[in-house]
Amino acid sequence: AAGVIQSPRHLIKEKRETATLKCYPIPRHDTVYWYQQGPGQDPQFLISFYEKMQSDKGSIPDRFSAQQFSDYHSELNMSSLELGDSALYFCASSLGGPTEAFFGQGTRLTVV
Amino acid sequence: AQKVTQAQTEISVVEKEDVTLDCVYETRDTTYYLFWYKQPPSGELVFLIRRNSFDEQNEISGRYSWNFQKSTSSFNFTITASQVVDSAVYFCALSEAQDNAGNMLTFGGGTRLMVKP
Repeated sequence: AAGVIQSPRHLIKEKRETATLKCYPIPRHDTVYWYQQGPGQDPQFLISFYEKMQSDKGSIPDRFSAQQFSDYHSELNMSSLELGDSALYFCASSLGGPTEAFFGQGTRLTVV
Repeated sequence: AQKVTQAQTEISVVEKEDVTLDCVYETRDTTYYLFWYKQPPSGELVFLIRRNSFDEQNEISGRYSWNFQKSTSSFNFTITASQVVDSAVYFCALSEAQDNAGNMLTFGGGTRLMVKP
């Protein structure tokens, strides 16, 4: 069965650079979530989209932005990267409400 | 505000022992969902189970079982006859039901389970 696809899997950027992470949800899923997991920490909710509209917002820095496109894929844009942005970024998708959220394999971002 | 607490940060057992991972949650909603996820060393988050607040039936799936008790706001997870492959970080999570979609998960801090041969 198709799963949530995230790209790239690994990314190394320098401080102050920009990064774009992509997420392709499970087909027919209409909701996308982004989470950030720092080393040794639990995943923290960043933002979610339902039917291409932002539906909920968590602790997402102003330097980050995200959107969901007409084909339901989503992109997380991060600018002015800081060392503290180094983390595993997960995308999850679901169909409608709080059903099982299926997670992608994550993008490991390292800022040097 | 919702909160999930996993008091055990790390547990170490020997293979074939039973182990229970504790999860306590806080929510003001009467309708909510509880989840368990497994995060092996490779890093992905593997969905294990979802429970809604109206279903207090315990569930068993192979060596895994879950005990949901609303009276104590707990959703504990037991692995019977643990195996080395069970070594991972386990997260309990809560989602409050809302009218619209996009309901976020609030995770507990995770419990690192180490199963030694």
